[in-house]
Amino acid sequence: EAQVTQNPRYLITVTGKKLTVTCSQNMNHEYMSWYRQDPGLGLRQIYYSMNVEVTDKGDVPEGYKVSRKEKRNFPLILESPSPNQTSLYFCASSLSAAGSGGTGELFFGEGSRLTVL
Amino acid sequence: AQSVTQLDSQVPVFEEAPVELRCNYSSSVSVYLFWYVQYPNQGLQLLLKYLSGSTLVKGINGFEAEFNKSQTSFHLRKPSVHISDTAEYFCAVKGTGRRALTFGSGTRLQVQP
Repeated sequence: EAQVTQNPRYLITVTGKKLTVTCSQNMNHEYMSWYRQDPGLGLRQIYYSMNVEVTDKGDVPEGYKVSRKEKRNFPLILESPSPNQTSLYFCASSLSAAGSGGTGELFFGEGSRLTVL
Repeated sequence: AQSVTQLDSQVPVFEEAPVELRCNYSSSVSVYLFWYVQYPNQGLQLLLKYLSGSTLVKGINGFEAEFNKSQTSFHLRKPSVHISDTAEYFCAVKGTGRRALTFGSGTRLQVQP
């Protein structure tokens, strides 16, 4: 089954404790992206990756890191989480890199709800 | 730059009534337009998309949307809603040549019996 898988789905942590949210897709998609969803703000892009070893900042990258060592995986790293990073996070992928002729249609994971105390 | 405005944060409606969720966009280039639906505790899934061609686009679950270039709108409609349509709906735009989708702030559709 084609899917985007995120882990963990739920996490409560404390300020400053490094954490990683994993994302994996089995559709051989080139493009992957992380979004955060906050009430009244919709989805805002954190980072995206056009392909392996190619990553770039989205609209709200501060406090986050990503890596793309393999095509299928795109982990989101919070080196020193803070309470303002409490949010619902979504990983998404697309067949081709949006902007290179691709339509940009995204496939989403089920989300990871993060609480930073 | 590109942006999306969803004017209604919440839309309550009775079962079997028609509904329209409004979406306006801004872009300096030609666009692709999308509606996504998010059911409770789930990720977003594509409802429908406009890429080119006919301005009336039909999607899943009986939804449709009309692209209006002169009014820069892409409103979502359904002639008769069901309880199961209760969800949050997001409009999104991508300008041709741009690298990312821009999402609206979402509209929560609440279908009441």
